[in-house]
Amino acid sequence: AQRVTQPEKLLSVFKGAPVELKCNYSYSGSPELFWYVQYSRQRLQLLLRHISRESIKGFTADLNKGETSFHLKKPFAQEEDSAMYYCALSGGSSYKLIFGSGTRLLVRP
Amino acid sequence: DGGITQSPKYLFRKEGQNVTLSCEQNLNHDAMYWYRQDPGQGLRLIYYSQIVNDFQKGDIAEGYSVSREKKESFPLTVTSAQKNPTAFYLCASSMSGPSTDTQYFGPGTRLTVL
Repeated sequence: AQRVTQPEKLLSVFKGAPVELKCNYSYSGSPELFWYVQYSRQRLQLLLRHISRESIKGFTADLNKGETSFHLKKPFAQEEDSAMYYCALSGGSSYKLIFGSGTRLLVRP
Repeated sequence: DGGITQSPKYLFRKEGQNVTLSCEQNLNHDAMYWYRQDPGQGLRLIYYSQIVNDFQKGDIAEGYSVSREKKESFPLTVTSAQKNPTAFYLCASSMSGPSTDTQYFGPGTRLTVL
């Protein structure tokens, strides 16, 4: 079955500390992986997708097919990074996007 | 923001009543989606539509119905058959499928059953 697991409900770090939000997935084919973010009082929006191989707001994520993971990383967290982060998976031509349960990142000053 | 609007922002319903949540987009997107968001469970897909006059059930379609008569509009009806309708509902759209195109989300509607 297709599944996305985000094991941490809350991740609290100090400003300037490294951040890693974990995401593991279960999928039999070749998935497309995404990170969506929801800042306070804002809409859910795409942060990055693995096929783009880009860094957005200092965040990167590498797809590890061996470990079936797509962890989101940032070397130095900023207070404005505090938000709810969702990992999501799509399979090939499917129109379905499967979301994890989300991780709340809190960056303290 | 903009592009996708949802109304109302808050909705209260008595048990046994059907209610319809509105979702409109002016992005000229073909695909539209309805998700339900519950605390600790992330987003779950209710229905999606790839094109006008066509829609498919998602993972939790029971107790819900939709229509797609116009490209811009994808209303969701929460029927009295939905056992636990109190939740936050999000509408989204994309140019085509999520594997190739970003999904853009609306601001959401919070439905409370009294």
